[in-house]
Amino acid sequence: SAVISQKPSRDICQRGTSLTIQCQVDSQVTMMFWYRQQPGQSLTLIATANQGSEATYESGFVIDKFPISRPNLTFSTLTVSNMSPEDSSIYLCSFAGGGTSGYNEQFFGPGTRLTVL
Amino acid sequence: GIQVEQSPPDLILQEGANSTLRCNFSDSVNNLQWFHQNPWGQLINLFYIPSGTKQNGRLSATTVATERYSLLYISSSQTTDSGVYFCAVERSDSWGKLQFGAGTQVVVTP
Repeated sequence: SAVISQKPSRDICQRGTSLTIQCQVDSQVTMMFWYRQQPGQSLTLIATANQGSEATYESGFVIDKFPISRPNLTFSTLTVSNMSPEDSSIYLCSFAGGGTSGYNEQFFGPGTRLTVL
Repeated sequence: GIQVEQSPPDLILQEGANSTLRCNFSDSVNNLQWFHQNPWGQLINLFYIPSGTKQNGRLSATTVATERYSLLYISSSQTTDSGVYFCAVERSDSWGKLQFGAGTQVVVTP
C-alpha cells in the first residue's frame, strides 16, 4: 500500500494561534480524511478532504475552525484555528483506495500530537 | 448514525494466554477494519474484514455480517500485543466514512 506521512509529528501551541498540519501520500489516492483523537478517546471523523472542491464536514465540525485544503491527489492540509486547550488532541489523516485487500481499506498517518497551553 | 460497541473495554493478559475481542455494529456495512494503536499512537492495520475469516500469524478475525458482529482472536499473546484495539466500520450508505468503536485496552504482562 501507499506510504502516508504527516508534519509536524507534535507541537505545543499557545491559545489563540493556528496550526497547519500537512499530510502527504506517496501515490495518488481517491479519498483522504481527517480524524481527531482526544486524550483517552477513540477516533472521530472531522471531514472528507475533496480534491478540487470544499471539504465535507461531519456534524460538530465547521470550516472556520478546521479549514482543509486538498490541492491534488497526494496532499492535504488541516488547519486548527484560534486554538484553545480543548483542541489538544492527536490529529490523523488517512486515505482509502490504495490497499490490496479492498478498494475502501483505510490507512492512517502517524498522527500529529497537539498540545495547546 | 451507526453504533459500534466493543467489548471488553479492558483486558489484562499473562504472556502466552489467548483472548477474544468483540465488535458489535448496528447497521449493514461496506467495510470493517481492525486496528492496533501502539503506545506511540500509530494505528496499525490488522484486518480488512467486512465478512468471512482471515488469519495473520497469531491473530485471526471473523466477521458475521448478517448477525452484525466481528471477533478478533489473539493467540499466545506477547508483551508487544499491548495497546488499544479498535474496530471501525463504514456504513453502507456512507462511502469512506469510518465509525470507530471505543476500543479495547489490552495489557500483556510478562
